[in-house]
Amino acid sequence: NAGVTQTPKFQVLKTGQSMTLQCAQDMNHNSMYWYRQDPGMGLRLIYYSASEGTTDKGEVPNGYNVSRLNKREFSLRLESAAPSQTSVYFCASSLRQGAYTEAFFGQGTRLTVV
Amino acid sequence: SQKIEQNSEALNIQEGKTATLTCNYTNYSPAYLQWYRQDPGRGPVFLLLIRENEKEKRKERLKVTFDTTLKQSLFHITASQPADSATYLCAPSPAAGNKLTFGGGTRVLVKP
Repeated sequence: NAGVTQTPKFQVLKTGQSMTLQCAQDMNHNSMYWYRQDPGMGLRLIYYSASEGTTDKGEVPNGYNVSRLNKREFSLRLESAAPSQTSVYFCASSLRQGAYTEAFFGQGTRLTVV
Repeated sequence: SQKIEQNSEALNIQEGKTATLTCNYTNYSPAYLQWYRQDPGRGPVFLLLIRENEKEKRKERLKVTFDTTLKQSLFHITASQPADSATYLCAPSPAAGNKLTFGGGTRVLVKP
């Protein structure tokens, strides 16, 4: 039972480079999320997808794009990486049963932009 | 705008004592509230969910209260153990929509 899988686990980018963070869940969940977490701070929501085919902005969407490729996969793209995007990125998913659903998180991607 | 506040100062507590963490929220009315635990270098793990019509919820040594009048949830760890040392995050959530947002978390350090 893999749960939520993120790739890669670590990445170093140069300023201006682009990359895509991958996330896949095998729990047949409807909703998926991308967060970033900076030292001493909590999780900040970047984008979320309530269901396949829909995506919405969270608190800090600038500089990012997302794709809900299918029910299992939700990717996060940095088109032109900036040092301010150095962070740990977490993907999560939840099964929508009314409104009372717990979220399951991946192990995180540590991204450094130099 | 909606705001979720948790004490950003670490809570140092002696083993065996009760740790109490606070989650305050403003400018919205959550239908339920979740608590998560996060260990260093790991993703958060779900602990408890309490609904707006529940005053208290327990799970083993954990107890959560939800006061919609005060707009506050308290999270208690009774008989704390060094293994309880972690950061604890709250997530008040509205009934509609699936936008899951978190407080900044409170780090707990249980000393033997």
